[in-house]
Amino acid sequence: GAVVSQHPSRVICKSGTSVKIECRSLDFQATTMFWYRQFPKKSLMLMATSNEGSKATYEQGVEKDKFLINHASLTLSTLTVTSAHPEDSSFYICSASFARGGANYGYTFGSGTRLTVV
Amino acid sequence: KQEVTQIPAALSVPEGENLVLNCSFTDSAIYNLQWFRQDPGKGLTSLLLIQSSQREQTSGRLNASLDKSSGRSTLYIAASQPGDSATYLCAVFAASGGSYIPTFGRGTSLIVHP
Repeated sequence: GAVVSQHPSRVICKSGTSVKIECRSLDFQATTMFWYRQFPKKSLMLMATSNEGSKATYEQGVEKDKFLINHASLTLSTLTVTSAHPEDSSFYICSASFARGGANYGYTFGSGTRLTVV
Repeated sequence: KQEVTQIPAALSVPEGENLVLNCSFTDSAIYNLQWFRQDPGKGLTSLLLIQSSQREQTSGRLNASLDKSSGRSTLYIAASQPGDSATYLCAVFAASGGSYIPTFGRGTSLIVHP
């Protein structure tokens, strides 16, 4: 159980276009999902916390207008990179907290999306 | 602010060795701690989750311990194999506004050579 599916796994786009990344919890409801960015040889950086039915909470330094997050249902959160530029090229990972019966079972991660902006 | 440090940053060992990966954190008020594995270009795979009230968890050749008071966790890998080669990440979770926000270490890059 507790599977998170992330699509696409790899995307190449032209500079100036927008890219949407989807994150789905397949067998559980995720009221909260998290979006991370990983730079080469660096740790994961939390970008934003996505709450179902409300606005996402962005970490300091993350541009809200560039990284649009929508969490319209309990099983789907999307991250849209708008007007992408080469510096947005990175590995993006989503995750959801898996909780049941009041106990937190940790995080389940999607398989990640490698974005390359050319 | 929570800071998580993983030592060593990189490790290269021959097959068969027993390994210890270290994770330390500055704020002991954690909810739980989780060890992950990441293969190059892939997402994270959860290895072991330790609740704050627990001392250790075991899964196969992996054993993770937690000493919350001293801010330390170790991941022990017995009889290492080339397939264990990956980056191992430690994350500590703290409650924040109804959610549990993780702070990650930078990881230990492990290479096990035949």
